[in-house]
Amino acid sequence: DGGITQSPKYLFRKEGQNVTLSCEQNLNHDAMYWYRQDPGQGLRLIYYSQIVNDFQKGDIAEGYSVSREKKESFPLTVTSAQKNPTAFYLCASRRRLGQGAPQHQPQHFGDGTRLSIL
Amino acid sequence: GIQVEQSPPDLILQEGANSTLRCNFSDSVNNLQWFHQNPWGQLINLFYIPSGTKQNGRLSATTVATERYSLLYISSSQTTDSGVYFCAAPSGTYKYIFGTGTRLKVLA
Repeated sequence: DGGITQSPKYLFRKEGQNVTLSCEQNLNHDAMYWYRQDPGQGLRLIYYSQIVNDFQKGDIAEGYSVSREKKESFPLTVTSAQKNPTAFYLCASRRRLGQGAPQHQPQHFGDGTRLSIL
Repeated sequence: GIQVEQSPPDLILQEGANSTLRCNFSDSVNNLQWFHQNPWGQLINLFYIPSGTKQNGRLSATTVATERYSLLYISSSQTTDSGVYFCAAPSGTYKYIFGTGTRLKVLA
């Protein structure tokens, strides 16, 4: 079955340490997204990528970095510059219908990664 | 950018009751999604509904794009309906903006 796989489900970070969250999809989707969710809050966009080797900052990109070397993969690195990294991180993807109509496709989400500070 | 507001923020129902959740958005949109986040954090697609009405079992959704709102109806609620319901609207070509959610608790 096609889907989005995020790993690990739980992750712990020490002070001053970078950690990388994995997101892999086999849906053949072009666009991929990373969101952050704090307890009791909605989702906020960190980064998104429309196509391989291209990505844009979302609303809360400071302290995070991404890469998009393959269509299937969009890893997120939480750097030591992110002072409050404890949160639930969700990856999503969406199909692109070619020029002019990418907005007409729903987003699909992975099961998330919970990151905590030790 | 677009603003997305949901109401009510919290809702407690007795099992079997019906409810209506609302999503208002500040600009015209060409699509809108409703999600259910279960207690384990999984986001489940409920509806992708740019306009009109769709139904899936006990759930249905209506979007009136010209008036900038969408409604999610839950009929004969069950305890498994508990969780948080989000709507999301596009901002530009690729970004989505999420509302702050409606937290639903269904009591047995």
